[in-house]
Amino acid sequence: DVKVTQSSRYLVKRTGEKVFLECVQDMDHENMFWYRQDPGLGLRLIYFSYDVKMKEKGDIPEGYSVSREKKERFSLILESASTNQTSMYLCASSPRLAGADTQYFGPGTRLTVL
Amino acid sequence: AQSVSQHNHHVILSEAASLELGCNYSYGGTVNLFWYVQYPGQHLQLLLKYFSGDPLVKGIKGFEAEFIKSKFSFNLRKPSVQWSDTAEYFCAVNGNTDKLIFGTGTRLQVFP
Repeated sequence: DVKVTQSSRYLVKRTGEKVFLECVQDMDHENMFWYRQDPGLGLRLIYFSYDVKMKEKGDIPEGYSVSREKKERFSLILESASTNQTSMYLCASSPRLAGADTQYFGPGTRLTVL
Repeated sequence: AQSVSQHNHHVILSEAASLELGCNYSYGGTVNLFWYVQYPGQHLQLLLKYFSGDPLVKGIKGFEAEFIKSKFSFNLRKPSVQWSDTAEYFCAVNGNTDKLIFGTGTRLQVFP
């Protein structure tokens, strides 16, 4: 079974703090994704990565950055957390095929910014 | 740009009722279509997917979905829901990229 793990289930931070969310997958998938999930808005893509050291902006990248130094690990960074970044953050991975295949999701990190 | 619309935001049913959740997408080319489910407190997981072939796709737990190309739709159905189907359901689509575009989700509550 594919396993995607996220470093924290719950996180509380203060405005202005730098926040790191870590994601690790164990299936040697090329693609990794970061989404945020908000009620009534569904899942919105923040950033994704096709390969090590490669990243592309998703639909809502403002206020976020990412890092992918190893194939299995994809980090989301909030450089200066703000209250409007309070949300559920989901990481996902998928193999790189011709066209999308199933994405496998982690359990999510519920981030609260005070 | 691709987009996905889920018409029902919140659906409340009694056990044994039939379910149909609407999903429409906008994209003119070949698409892959997905339904994901998120049970309370659990990971988002794949319910079923359509890539090609028979437009009627069967998934886990008795769910099925029908791809109707002319209507740009991929509605999810289940003939008889159970209390354990209480969850949030997301439709997703992709065109010629590895990215998925998700709908806003439908929250289903099933009462015994």
